[in-house]
Amino acid sequence: DTAVSQTPKYLVTQMGNDKSIKCEQNLGHDTMYWYKQDSKKFLKIMFSYNNKELIINETVPNRFSPKSPDKAHLNLHINSLELGDSAVYFCASSQTGAPLHFGNGTRLTVT
Amino acid sequence: DQQVKQNSPSLSVQEGRISILNCDYTNSMFDYFLWYKKYPAEGPTFLISISSIKDKNEDGRFTVFLNKSAKHLSLHIVPSQPGDSAVYFCAAGETGNQFYFGTGTSLTVIP
Repeated sequence: DTAVSQTPKYLVTQMGNDKSIKCEQNLGHDTMYWYKQDSKKFLKIMFSYNNKELIINETVPNRFSPKSPDKAHLNLHINSLELGDSAVYFCASSQTGAPLHFGNGTRLTVT
Repeated sequence: DQQVKQNSPSLSVQEGRISILNCDYTNSMFDYFLWYKKYPAEGPTFLISISSIKDKNEDGRFTVFLNKSAKHLSLHIVPSQPGDSAVYFCAAGETGNQFYFGTGTSLTVIP
């Protein structure tokens, strides 16, 4: 009965590969997010989706693309992976204006 | 440009004593502030929040204080328990918009 679940938990891949991280929430929230926590522990928003509409898109390389097939899912696709993409990626969801509920994170390592 | 700062990366406190975690923000438009707690290999979990119309919010052992003129908030935990050992993230933002996170303070409660 996990509220926000993301898979995989760990992802090790080589430079240049394309990978996806999946996220699902069963809370009925109207907004889903992707955050990146880098080596300096900064937790920065990458994207958010509200009712299938992208409403925030920070200065993220266009190699990163969020895809939301429905209100309960927001997947993250990454093309041509680079060493600097190594980080922990967190999915989150919320009702507008309410606290975020986070998944347990996906640790991406690019070699 | 880091809009939310937690200047103490770590804090150690004896069990039973008070833990005080501090957070500063730069944007005077922020009107909603939150604290999250994070255990290793898990996502951040919401702990307590406060809106700018208040200067204090209490929930059991946890109290958040907001000083709008100083753009400062703090989280007090009393009495501290070993299970409180975790990383605490401060977050702030305008209601309905994205939240900005600090880099976290690692709290260790010593039995």
